[in-house]
Amino acid sequence: NAGVTQTPKFQVLKTGQSMTLQCAQDMNHEYMSWYRQDPGMGLRLIHYSVGAGITDQGEVPNGYNVSRSTTEDFPLRLLSAAPSQTSVYFCASSPDRDYGYTFGSGTRLTVV
Amino acid sequence: AQTVTQSQPEMSVQEAETVTLSCTYDTSENNYYLFWYKQPPSRQMILVIRQEAYKQQNATENRFSVNFQKAAKSFSLKISDSQLGDTAMYFCAFMKGSYDKVIFGPGTSLSVIP
Repeated sequence: NAGVTQTPKFQVLKTGQSMTLQCAQDMNHEYMSWYRQDPGMGLRLIHYSVGAGITDQGEVPNGYNVSRSTTEDFPLRLLSAAPSQTSVYFCASSPDRDYGYTFGSGTRLTVV
Repeated sequence: AQTVTQSQPEMSVQEAETVTLSCTYDTSENNYYLFWYKQPPSRQMILVIRQEAYKQQNATENRFSVNFQKAAKSFSLKISDSQLGDTAMYFCAFMKGSYDKVIFGPGTSLSVIP
């Protein structure tokens, strides 16, 4: 098993550009989430999904879109990048709500 | 809304000693789950331990144990026989039993000194 795979690992965007952060897991986990990590603020939930076709907003959803067409994939789309979206992004998955997450290795995004 | 507080931004401990990291949370729920995650310098997030609120027995995983005080809404992590590899950021996390969001605290940076 590869676990949770995030691509790319690093990305630099210009303000106003759009892009998609990819997340894939091969563990058949139903629960998947996207977090952003900023210094001194821990991890903040952007969007999450409890199964294919079902997504919901987290604490900081503005400027981001998600979809979950398959159990394996949960991409995060930045619609129009802003410097405030400079952060490290983590994707995580879990087989059940209370099991605890397996995290990907993160994507460091810089918006200039 | 649920909140998670970690009042110690930074801590240090001598190798082989014991250290306790604090976590408090705010909720009106009776059924919920608590977690501690470790993030070493590699940036990889790793689940350390989990606790179900309806279980009174404190969870343990090898050198890691928790002190869960439900009435006080406290969930501290004790690391025994600290090792250099324990140097990391530690995050406390909360999840309401009837909900699906996991909320993280701001983290405590732990340094193990040789």
